[in-house]
Amino acid sequence: NAGVTQTPKFQVLKTGQSMTLQCAQDMNHEYMSWYRQDPGMGLRLIHYSVGAGITDQGEVPNGYNVSRSTTEDFPLRLLSAAPSQTSVYFCASSPGTRSNTEAFFGQGTRLTVV
Amino acid sequence: AQRVTQPEKLLSVFKGAPVELKCNYSYSGSPELFWYVQYSRQRLQLLLRHISRESIKGFTADLNKGETSFHLKKPFAQEEDSAMYYCALSSSYNTDKLIFGTGTRLQVFP
Repeated sequence: NAGVTQTPKFQVLKTGQSMTLQCAQDMNHEYMSWYRQDPGMGLRLIHYSVGAGITDQGEVPNGYNVSRSTTEDFPLRLLSAAPSQTSVYFCASSPGTRSNTEAFFGQGTRLTVV
Repeated sequence: AQRVTQPEKLLSVFKGAPVELKCNYSYSGSPELFWYVQYSRQRLQLLLRHISRESIKGFTADLNKGETSFHLKKPFAQEEDSAMYYCALSSSYNTDKLIFGTGTRLQVFP
């Protein structure tokens, strides 16, 4: 059982480049979300989705786009990379039911923007 | 404002010593509280949640609504407990978003 899979694991971008971080889950979870982890700041929510076709902004959405065309996939797009987007990015999914609220995380993508 | 505060960035103890990782929260409403743990080179994973009232790996956490706290405790620390610990909350009605604290690194020395 793969759980939540993120690709790539590492990426270096030049300022101004665009790219997509991929996230896929095979647990048929309704909820998916993207977080960034920065030193001393914990994890901050970028965007989230409560189901296919539905997305919303989190705490730090600027510079990122998302879409949810299928239940399984939730890609995160960086439109024009900036050094401030250097971070570790985590994708998470959860069943979305009150009886089971556990979030499952991917292994993370370490992004460096130079 | 919705906020989770973990005042300690680093907590160092010796094996066998008691451990308490502090977590305070600010939330208007009825939150659900969690502790997530990230061991070295592993992904973030759920340790425990307050509604389960369970003990996982010897850790317990009690929700104190009066003090708005959810401290994580273990009576006797083990070296394998060394990890990064995050306190988090969500709405009890809408669990699609988690608000995390800044994390506490626990180091357990032999």
